[in-house]
Amino acid sequence: DAKTTQPTSMDCAEGRAANLPCNHSTISGNEYVYWYRQIHSQGPQYIIHGLKNNETNEMASLIITEDRKSSTLILPHATLRDTAVYYCISQGAQKLVFGQGTRLTINP
Amino acid sequence: EAGVAQSPRYKIIEKRQSVAFWCNPISGHATLYWYQQILGQGPKLLIQFQNNGVVDDSQLPKDRFSAERLKGVDSTLKIQPAKLEDSAVYLCASSLNSGGGYEQYFGPGTRLTVT
Repeated sequence: DAKTTQPTSMDCAEGRAANLPCNHSTISGNEYVYWYRQIHSQGPQYIIHGLKNNETNEMASLIITEDRKSSTLILPHATLRDTAVYYCISQGAQKLVFGQGTRLTINP
Repeated sequence: EAGVAQSPRYKIIEKRQSVAFWCNPISGHATLYWYQQILGQGPKLLIQFQNNGVVDDSQLPKDRFSAERLKGVDSTLKIQPAKLEDSAVYLCASSLNSGGGYEQYFGPGTRLTVT
């Protein structure tokens, strides 16, 4: 499975867009990019995933570069409840491999 | 739709004792996962089931950990005997199927403390 690199931590002001970057330069053609988040003392929560095209759902948008070597998760209007650790994962045939993630703090 | 259920939520045991965790996945989900999450780290997959068969248990310490998924629904994870380094949160997750394109849904986890 391909590995990903993310910044250790980020801050964002409440109400602004939070843009979380992820590098996955060794991703294979059949591997998806997944984003999960984990709020303190809870299990990880699925956010969004994509293969080649940009994706949007009620929680976030996922922008994948044309060469698929990096992606950005966008939370359009961050709230205090979005404070969490965000994991970017490239999934191969079977399993998710979680890294350290990005600790996102939303400030009032 | 009910989520993934786990019990107990918390467990404290002494080293060398045994412990068991239970998981009930989302109805209709064929794939079930057990993860171990040590404080400050991301979850690590221990074992993956597809229905009642094991797909991946490469990171399961088989000398002390065991898991089963009888009838392809509920699952139990057991540790016997426990060590201090087993202190962690044990997460159960399920997905409709395995492979790319299927998101996983996680339960709240069981926090195990081994003293």
